[in-house]
Amino acid sequence: SSELTQDPAVSVALGQTVRITCQGDSLRTYCASWYQQKPGQAPVLVILGENKRPSGIPDRFSGSNSGTTASLTITGAQAEDEAVYYCNSRDSSGYHYVFGGGTKVTVL
Amino acid sequence: QLQLQESGPGLVKPSLTLSLTCTVSGGSITRDHNWGWIRQVPGEGLEWIGSAYYSGNTYYSPSFKSRVTISMDTSNNHFSLSLSSVTAADTAVYYCARHPLVLISATGRGYDAFDVWGPGTLVTVSS
Repeated sequence: SSELTQDPAVSVALGQTVRITCQGDSLRTYCASWYQQKPGQAPVLVILGENKRPSGIPDRFSGSNSGTTASLTITGAQAEDEAVYYCNSRDSSGYHYVFGGGTKVTVL
Repeated sequence: QLQLQESGPGLVKPSLTLSLTCTVSGGSITRDHNWGWIRQVPGEGLEWIGSAYYSGNTYYSPSFKSRVTISMDTSNNHFSLSLSSVTAADTAVYYCARHPLVLISATGRGYDAFDVWGPGTLVTVSS
């Protein structure tokens, strides 16, 4: 399968922890990367590999990969974390890329 | 700091060819990175169109393969997207992005990511 599946939306109370998941067969072979996108802005990479954060990404963002599921966890969610989060990986062929449908995170 | 900037017409007529350029500044197109195009139809998710390697090898999404060409101009530090026979369904924000060559994690999984993005450019297909 070349698809990545995400829940459409999730909400989290300010300061609490939220976990977003991404499922797909290709995740057995490739780690997911995660992107944050706020309205009117380009996506920003927040997690790549097993659990690597690019420079400037707060350490409240973490990632994990297990079997066919990848997860992005925000520990102590802040108001500025409200955004749509997309997962992405290569597909099973290794030559193409696929994105999940995105999860809208609302911070209450 | 590496920056990418998309440029091209914001309006394209149906059945014609959409052409965009991504200019790389603050660094060079190097052989240890790939260069890709991603689009986002208004209100929808991200969709990978294709990528080109420094060598000029290209890989395209099956969804676009018959209509898309990505080319590299390393001497001028830019790469381009051409999408033919456009329809209103191709109206979208088009992003260019850099992604490194795939690495292998400690668990044996491959990984890479689109680590630098342009701001995006809206292309509307309309007569």
